[in-house]
Amino acid sequence: GAGVSQSPSNKVTEKGKDVELRCDPISGHTALYWYRQSLGQGLEFLIYFQGNSAPDKSGLPSDRFSAERTGGSVSTLTIQRTQQEDSAVYLCASSFRRASRRDTEAFFGQGTRLTVV
Amino acid sequence: AQSVSQHNHHVILSEAASLELGCNYSYGGTVNLFWYVQYPGQHLQLLLKYFSGDPLVKGIKGFEAEFIKSKFSFNLRKPSVQWSDTAEYFCACMNYGGSQGNLIFGKGTKLSVKP
Repeated sequence: GAGVSQSPSNKVTEKGKDVELRCDPISGHTALYWYRQSLGQGLEFLIYFQGNSAPDKSGLPSDRFSAERTGGSVSTLTIQRTQQEDSAVYLCASSFRRASRRDTEAFFGQGTRLTVV
Repeated sequence: AQSVSQHNHHVILSEAASLELGCNYSYGGTVNLFWYVQYPGQHLQLLLKYFSGDPLVKGIKGFEAEFIKSKFSFNLRKPSVQWSDTAEYFCACMNYGGSQGNLIFGKGTKLSVKP
């Protein structure tokens, strides 16, 4: 596609339920990032996929959070047993593989606004 | 661990004032540096980037940033701001030399420009 696509754009869920957030990166991009944006907290890194390498999961805040990337393209971020503090905007970004330093900028989707009630 | 610090949480300026937003990163290896902007209700967009060469980089809308390796800094500047520059600005650092190449952001600086 022309840009990074995320779905749904908004999600309201009850505390304790599981949610899945989807990201379709730009075609050909092999790097994919997930971030969480909360008021006053900037962009909190969650997880990073680069090609076939093992993902960098160092930003996941708890074991309730997981992500996968199938076929090197679409990614799904799953939050189990959601809590109110999980409410935030979840952003996905993608970029080319790091063949050269010139091509490493990340392109962002519009995000998924998650509200846990 | 890699981190990015933005010194100003909220900056308020009048139109035509000069702008400088501070950014420091903490990684000793090879880095790519970025400034992103988020206008109200819109997604993050790249303002400018540094990857090599001239440490003074120019971006869109009259913005520029200077990479000072000795200070681990990448401050954003604009000589004369406009009301339309009202947005949130994020500095980011990519650890290019490492095996992962992660992209870490600062907490952002909200800029409000008064007409």
